[in-house]
Formats: sequence, structure tokens, C-alpha cells
Amino acid sequence: GQQLNQSPQSMFIQEGEDVSMNCTSSSIFNTWLWYKQEPGEGPVLLIALYKAGELTSNGRLTAQFGITRKDSFLNISASIPSDVGIYFCAGLRPMDSNYQLIWGAGTKLIIKP
Amino acid sequence: SQTIHQWPATLVQPVGSPLSLECTVEGTSNPNLYWYRQAAGRGLQLLFYSVGIGQISSEVPQNLSASRPQDRQFILSSKKLLLSDSGFYLCAWSVANGQYFGPGTRLTVT
Repeated sequence: GQQLNQSPQSMFIQEGEDVSMNCTSSSIFNTWLWYKQEPGEGPVLLIALYKAGELTSNGRLTAQFGITRKDSFLNISASIPSDVGIYFCAGLRPMDSNYQLIWGAGTKLIIKP
Repeated sequence: SQTIHQWPATLVQPVGSPLSLECTVEGTSNPNLYWYRQAAGRGLQLLFYSVGIGQISSEVPQNLSASRPQDRQFILSSKKLLLSDSGFYLCAWSVANGQYFGPGTRLTVT
């Protein structure tokens, strides 16, 4: 079935470092979404990308919709302890009269003390 | 503004017992509604989605079922729980691009 390849699976970084993660697919998507999930809570939408080549920022977070429409990346600058969590990408594409949302497996961000 | 509620927040049930999880959305009309399950340390697995009252699509065959008795109410049920049903159950809604999640229900089947 359709799937997104999200990497890395986990990251151990020092506070203050920049973080980069990405999602790729063999399929084209109309929208890319990036979510963050903290332990015991539902995912929260961070950034939505609607157009190929689009670069969008949300505070220290920056995400881009790949030109080929088959990939997206998320960068976090100057990481802080509250950035820990699992980051998910999701790609949206039309299906019949609705749409289909395909999820990546997540990138777990751990900040070393 | 729109809000989404789930209850209960946590649940411990024995194998073979029934299940009913409820999700309600406020502040929007005719949303698409979704049930996901997340195993520990894993990604999201879509279980059911609904585009309207009484309309349910199942993504994964299993011993779970879903119902949508009202526009903004989505219920996940089981007649007999299995150990493998343990996990974190998330309800989500959408009206256009993107999905917005509820706080989740942690289910432990013992």
C-alpha cells in the first residue's frame, strides 16, 4: 500500500543544535502536513504545505514542500528541551470524492542533557 | 473555535469484555471523522473514517466497529476485546486539508 518513508527514525541531539527530518514517497501529494506528538497526547498540527516548492515557517520550525511533490522536510533551529516528542509527516491526496491521508512512521526527537 | 473531545482518557478492560469509546466535535458541522490506533512507540493506523451520519468506512478488518449516530459524534466499539486491542486510540476531524486530533484514550486490555 501507499506509504511515506520518514527519516530518521530517531534523533539524539544536544540542546541548541539544529534538527532536520524528511519524508519521501513514490507518489505525488497535494498537501504535506507536519505534526508533533508529545507523550500521552494526540498529534498537533505544526505546519501545512499546499504548493510545490512552498517554504513555510512557524517560529523555529521551517518546512518545505518538495518541487517533485513527492517529498517534504522539516527543520528545527536551535532546539530546546520542549522540542522533544515524535514528529509525523502526512501526505494528502484526492481519492474518489474525498481524500486520503498517508502517514510517516514518525521521527522521535530526544535531547541529550 | 472547534474542539474535539474523547472519553474516557484511560481504560483498563479484561479480555473478552465490550468496549465503547466516544468522540465528539464542537464548533463545526458535517466534519469528516476518523479513528486511529497507535501502538506504543509506533505510528498512526487508520481504523475507520466517516464522511457523514451513518456512513462508516473501515480501513482494517478486525473485531472493532464504528458508528456515527449524530453529525458530531463518533463511537468506536467492540463486542469482545482482544489483548492486541491495547493501544492509544485517537479521534480526529477535518473539514478541508489537514486533520485535528483529540486527546486520545489509552486502552489497556488485561
